[in-house]
Amino acid sequence: GQSLEQPSEVTAVEGAIVQINCTYQTSGFYGLSWYQQHDGGAPTFLSYNALDGLEETGRFSSFLSRSDSYGYLLLQELQMKDSASYFCAVKAEAAGNKLTFGGGTRVLVKP
Amino acid sequence: DGGITQSPKYLFRKEGQNVTLSCEQNLNHDAMYWYRQDPGQGLRLIYYSQIVNDFQKGDIAEGYSVSREKKESFPLTVTSAQKNPTAFYLCASQAGGGGVSNEKLFFGSGTQLSVL
Repeated sequence: GQSLEQPSEVTAVEGAIVQINCTYQTSGFYGLSWYQQHDGGAPTFLSYNALDGLEETGRFSSFLSRSDSYGYLLLQELQMKDSASYFCAVKAEAAGNKLTFGGGTRVLVKP
Repeated sequence: DGGITQSPKYLFRKEGQNVTLSCEQNLNHDAMYWYRQDPGQGLRLIYYSQIVNDFQKGDIAEGYSVSREKKESFPLTVTSAQKNPTAFYLCASQAGGGGVSNEKLFFGSGTQLSVL
Protein backbone atom coordinates (compact mmCIF):
# COMPACT_ATOMS: atom_id res chain seq x y z
CA GLY A 1 0.00 0.00 0.00
CA GLN A 2 0.86 3.63 0.10
CA SER A 3 1.38 6.00 3.00
CA LEU A 4 2.24 9.66 3.41
CA GLU A 5 3.15 11.38 6.64
CA GLN A 6 3.22 15.08 7.34
CA PRO A 7 2.90 17.01 10.62
CA SER A 8 -0.64 17.89 11.62
CA GLU A 9 -0.02 21.48 12.67
CA VAL A 10 2.65 24.17 12.64
CA THR A 11 2.50 27.62 14.23
CA ALA A 12 4.79 30.52 13.32
CA VAL A 13 4.88 34.31 13.37
CA GLU A 14 4.68 36.69 10.45
CA GLY A 15 7.96 36.99 8.59
CA ALA A 16 9.22 33.62 9.76
CA ILE A 17 10.14 30.55 7.71
CA VAL A 18 8.24 27.28 7.97
CA GLN A 19 9.25 23.90 6.56
CA ILE A 20 6.57 21.23 6.12
CA ASN A 21 8.02 17.76 5.73
CA CYS A 22 6.40 14.90 3.85
CA THR A 23 7.66 11.33 3.90
CA TYR A 24 6.08 8.69 1.72
CA GLN A 25 6.08 4.98 1.05
CA THR A 26 4.98 3.75 -2.33
CA SER A 27 6.10 1.85 -5.40
CA GLY A 28 6.55 3.22 -8.89
CA PHE A 29 6.96 6.81 -7.67
CA TYR A 30 6.53 9.54 -10.28
CA GLY A 31 6.33 12.80 -8.38
CA LEU A 32 5.29 14.82 -5.35
CA SER A 33 2.79 17.69 -5.45
CA TRP A 34 1.83 20.32 -2.90
CA TYR A 35 -1.57 22.00 -2.54
CA GLN A 36 -2.80 24.84 -0.34
CA GLN A 37 -6.34 24.94 1.04
CA HIS A 38 -7.91 27.75 3.04
CA ASP A 39 -10.74 26.79 5.39
CA GLY A 40 -13.85 25.84 3.43
CA GLY A 41 -12.14 26.54 0.13
CA ALA A 42 -10.79 24.70 -2.86
CA PRO A 43 -7.26 23.28 -2.84
CA THR A 44 -4.94 25.19 -5.13
CA PHE A 45 -1.84 23.78 -6.76
CA LEU A 46 1.53 25.02 -5.49
CA SER A 47 4.19 22.77 -7.00
CA TYR A 48 5.17 19.44 -8.50
CA ASN A 49 8.58 17.78 -8.15
CA ALA A 50 9.52 14.77 -10.23
CA LEU A 51 13.29 15.13 -9.93
CA ASP A 52 15.56 15.58 -6.93
CA GLY A 53 16.26 19.11 -5.88
CA LEU A 54 14.72 22.41 -4.97
CA GLU A 55 12.09 24.25 -7.03
CA GLU A 56 11.50 27.88 -6.11
CA THR A 57 8.35 29.82 -6.90
CA GLY A 58 8.28 33.18 -5.17
CA ARG A 59 8.10 32.83 -1.40
CA PHE A 60 7.36 29.09 -1.64
CA SER A 61 9.89 26.39 -2.50
CA SER A 62 9.53 22.64 -2.75
CA PHE A 63 12.21 20.00 -2.37
CA LEU A 64 12.36 16.32 -3.27
CA SER A 65 14.77 13.52 -2.44
CA ARG A 66 13.67 10.37 -4.26
CA SER A 67 16.32 8.23 -2.56
CA ASP A 68 15.01 9.26 0.89
CA SER A 69 11.31 9.18 -0.11
CA TYR A 70 11.09 12.64 1.34
CA GLY A 71 10.08 16.10 0.35
CA TYR A 72 9.31 19.41 1.95
CA LEU A 73 7.53 22.66 1.29
CA LEU A 74 9.29 25.80 2.47
CA LEU A 75 7.24 28.89 3.17
CA GLN A 76 9.32 32.03 3.53
CA GLU A 77 8.47 35.54 4.71
CA LEU A 78 5.26 34.22 6.21
CA GLN A 79 2.16 36.37 5.83
CA MET A 80 -1.17 36.14 7.62
CA LYS A 81 -2.79 34.99 4.37
CA ASP A 82 -0.54 31.90 4.42
CA SER A 83 -2.64 30.50 7.28
CA ALA A 84 -4.11 27.43 5.60
CA SER A 85 -3.75 23.67 5.30
CA TYR A 86 -1.01 22.30 3.08
CA PHE A 87 -1.23 18.84 1.53
CA CYS A 88 1.47 16.76 -0.06
CA ALA A 89 0.32 14.28 -2.69
CA VAL A 90 2.17 11.44 -4.36
CA LYS A 91 1.70 10.27 -7.93
CA ALA A 92 2.72 6.62 -8.28
CA GLU A 93 2.12 3.45 -10.23
CA ALA A 94 0.90 1.82 -7.02
CA ALA A 95 -2.19 4.05 -7.24
CA GLY A 96 -2.68 3.77 -10.97
CA ASN A 97 -0.84 7.04 -11.59
CA LYS A 98 -3.42 8.97 -9.60
CA LEU A 99 -2.67 11.28 -6.70
CA THR A 100 -2.73 10.04 -3.10
CA PHE A 101 -3.00 12.88 -0.59
CA GLY A 102 -1.47 13.18 2.84
CA GLY A 103 -3.55 14.20 5.83
CA GLY A 104 -2.51 17.84 5.59
CA THR A 105 -0.56 20.28 7.76
CA ARG A 106 -2.44 23.17 9.25
CA VAL A 107 -0.24 26.28 9.33
CA LEU A 108 -1.25 29.05 11.71
CA VAL A 109 0.50 32.38 11.24
CA LYS A 110 0.42 34.72 14.23
CA PRO A 111 1.10 38.46 14.20
CA ASP B 1 -13.32 32.79 -17.43
CA GLY B 2 -12.37 29.14 -17.53
CA GLY B 3 -12.92 27.11 -14.46
CA ILE B 4 -14.65 24.31 -12.66
CA THR B 5 -18.04 24.84 -11.02
CA GLN B 6 -19.67 22.76 -8.32
CA SER B 7 -23.23 23.07 -7.15
CA PRO B 8 -24.89 23.33 -4.78
CA LYS B 9 -22.52 24.72 -2.16
CA TYR B 10 -24.57 23.14 0.65
CA LEU B 11 -26.79 20.07 0.39
CA PHE B 12 -28.86 18.20 2.91
CA ARG B 13 -29.83 14.58 2.55
CA LYS B 14 -32.63 12.74 4.26
CA GLU B 15 -32.18 9.14 5.27
CA GLY B 16 -32.78 6.78 2.36
CA GLN B 17 -32.50 9.52 -0.21
CA ASN B 18 -30.16 9.73 -3.19
CA VAL B 19 -28.64 13.12 -3.93
CA THR B 20 -26.62 14.33 -6.92
CA LEU B 21 -23.75 16.78 -6.81
CA SER B 22 -23.01 18.72 -9.97
CA CYS B 23 -19.56 19.37 -11.44
CA GLU B 24 -19.02 21.28 -14.68
CA GLN B 25 -15.77 22.45 -16.27
CA ASN B 26 -15.04 24.61 -19.29
CA LEU B 27 -11.30 24.03 -19.32
CA ASN B 28 -11.53 21.37 -22.02
CA HIS B 29 -9.85 18.92 -19.65
CA ASP B 30 -10.00 15.21 -20.33
CA ALA B 31 -9.72 13.93 -16.78
CA MET B 32 -12.14 14.61 -13.93
CA TYR B 33 -12.10 13.44 -10.32
CA TRP B 34 -14.30 13.31 -7.24
CA TYR B 35 -12.74 13.51 -3.78
CA ARG B 36 -14.20 13.29 -0.32
CA GLN B 37 -12.73 15.33 2.53
CA ASP B 38 -13.63 14.73 6.18
CA PRO B 39 -12.85 17.40 8.79
CA GLY B 40 -9.16 17.82 9.44
CA GLN B 41 -8.24 15.10 6.97
CA GLY B 42 -6.83 14.69 3.51
CA LEU B 43 -8.62 14.02 0.25
CA ARG B 44 -9.77 10.52 -0.65
CA LEU B 45 -10.57 9.55 -4.23
CA ILE B 46 -14.12 8.38 -4.92
CA TYR B 47 -14.27 8.07 -8.72
CA TYR B 48 -12.35 9.35 -11.69
CA SER B 49 -12.81 9.60 -15.43
CA GLN B 50 -10.12 10.04 -18.02
CA ILE B 51 -12.38 10.15 -21.06
CA VAL B 52 -16.04 10.57 -21.93
CA ASN B 53 -18.22 7.51 -21.30
CA ASP B 54 -15.56 5.87 -19.15
CA PHE B 55 -14.88 6.05 -15.42
CA GLN B 56 -13.14 4.00 -12.72
CA LYS B 57 -13.61 3.46 -9.01
CA GLY B 58 -11.27 5.16 -6.63
CA ASP B 59 -10.40 4.14 -3.09
CA ILE B 60 -13.82 4.73 -1.51
CA ALA B 61 -16.39 4.19 -4.30
CA GLU B 62 -18.93 2.18 -2.29
CA GLY B 63 -22.22 4.03 -1.96
CA TYR B 64 -21.46 6.43 -4.80
CA SER B 65 -22.10 6.48 -8.55
CA VAL B 66 -21.03 8.74 -11.41
CA SER B 67 -21.59 9.32 -15.11
CA ARG B 68 -19.52 11.00 -17.80
CA GLU B 69 -21.82 11.57 -20.75
CA LYS B 70 -20.20 14.86 -21.71
CA LYS B 71 -16.61 16.04 -21.44
CA GLU B 72 -17.69 19.06 -19.43
CA SER B 73 -19.79 17.27 -16.83
CA PHE B 74 -19.08 14.67 -14.15
CA PRO B 75 -21.99 14.44 -11.66
CA LEU B 76 -21.68 12.41 -8.47
CA THR B 77 -24.65 10.64 -6.91
CA VAL B 78 -24.49 9.81 -3.22
CA THR B 79 -26.80 6.86 -2.80
CA SER B 80 -28.71 5.65 0.24
CA ALA B 81 -26.12 2.87 0.48
CA GLN B 82 -23.57 5.42 1.68
CA LYS B 83 -24.26 5.33 5.42
CA ASN B 84 -21.92 8.12 6.43
CA PRO B 85 -22.22 10.72 3.67
CA THR B 86 -21.56 13.86 5.71
CA ALA B 87 -18.39 15.37 4.23
CA PHE B 88 -16.98 18.05 1.96
CA TYR B 89 -16.97 16.86 -1.66
CA LEU B 90 -14.48 18.24 -4.14
CA CYS B 91 -14.46 17.88 -7.89
CA ALA B 92 -11.27 18.37 -9.89
CA SER B 93 -10.16 18.33 -13.50
CA GLN B 94 -6.82 17.84 -15.18
CA ALA B 95 -5.49 18.35 -18.68
CA GLY B 96 -4.25 15.28 -20.51
CA GLY B 97 -0.77 14.65 -21.83
CA GLY B 98 2.60 14.78 -20.16
CA GLY B 99 4.63 17.63 -18.79
CA VAL B 100 4.82 19.26 -15.40
CA SER B 101 2.09 21.79 -16.19
CA ASN B 102 -0.37 18.96 -16.79
CA GLU B 103 0.23 17.51 -13.33
CA LYS B 104 -1.89 20.30 -11.86
CA LEU B 105 -5.38 19.53 -10.60
CA PHE B 106 -7.95 22.32 -10.80
CA PHE B 107 -10.52 22.09 -8.03
CA GLY B 108 -14.06 23.35 -7.72
CA SER B 109 -15.17 25.21 -4.60
CA GLY B 110 -16.77 22.11 -3.10
CA THR B 111 -20.14 20.92 -1.83
CA GLN B 112 -20.77 20.39 1.88
CA LEU B 113 -23.18 17.49 2.25
CA SER B 114 -24.95 16.95 5.55
CA VAL B 115 -27.48 14.41 6.73
CA LEU B 116 -30.77 15.61 8.21
